[in-house]
Amino acid sequence: DAGVIQSPRHEVTEMGQEVTLRCKPISGHDYLFWYRQTMMRGLELLIYFNNNVPIDDSGMPEDRFSAKMPNASFSTLKIQPSEPRDSAVYFCASSFVPETSGNTIYFGEGSWLTVV
Amino acid sequence: AQSVSQHNHHVILSEAASLELGCNYSYGGTVNLFWYVQYPGQHLQLLLKYFSGDPLVKGIKGFEAEFIKSKFSFNLRKPSVQWSDTAEYFCAVRSGNTGKLIFGQGTTLQVKP
Repeated sequence: DAGVIQSPRHEVTEMGQEVTLRCKPISGHDYLFWYRQTMMRGLELLIYFNNNVPIDDSGMPEDRFSAKMPNASFSTLKIQPSEPRDSAVYFCASSFVPETSGNTIYFGEGSWLTVV
Repeated sequence: AQSVSQHNHHVILSEAASLELGCNYSYGGTVNLFWYVQYPGQHLQLLLKYFSGDPLVKGIKGFEAEFIKSKFSFNLRKPSVQWSDTAEYFCAVRSGNTGKLIFGQGTTLQVKP
């Protein structure tokens, strides 16, 4: 059974370029989360979706960041324009609804972004 | 607002020592509690979770955690650590109402052989 799939695994880009990170959640999961991990700030929740609808985007750092979930099997996180301080590991995660006993959130392997 | 606090930022132990990592959360409603582990260079993996029932939860690799509702705590324990337990450990709380999952700052555990 495939887990959460993220791409690219690693990306190095120049400041000012657009970066698009992709995520395919586990089939059937209702929730999708985007997290950012840095040494300074740890794991931050950027945004999460329920049934493809953004529920809480209060963690998105600024207007340069945007996320979409056009269908149940795909989501993107876009940074435009990118800046060196965006360098981090971006994790996508998915789960069923919290009320079920199988509500564990499963994480992808992360997209390691370096902006130079 | 929902928040999670981990007491220790960096813990260094010798092999066979006992481990306890503190975790407190602030949220008044129904919560599900998790401990995740992240080995160097890897993604987050679930160690254990509390959903309901017995507040003492056993997870993989000999880890356990106890949910104490009155203290809003969910501390992680292991009686005897191994070098391979060297990793970063994250406590997380998920709201039963909103589905939102929030992580603590993480605790880096270093086990000396």
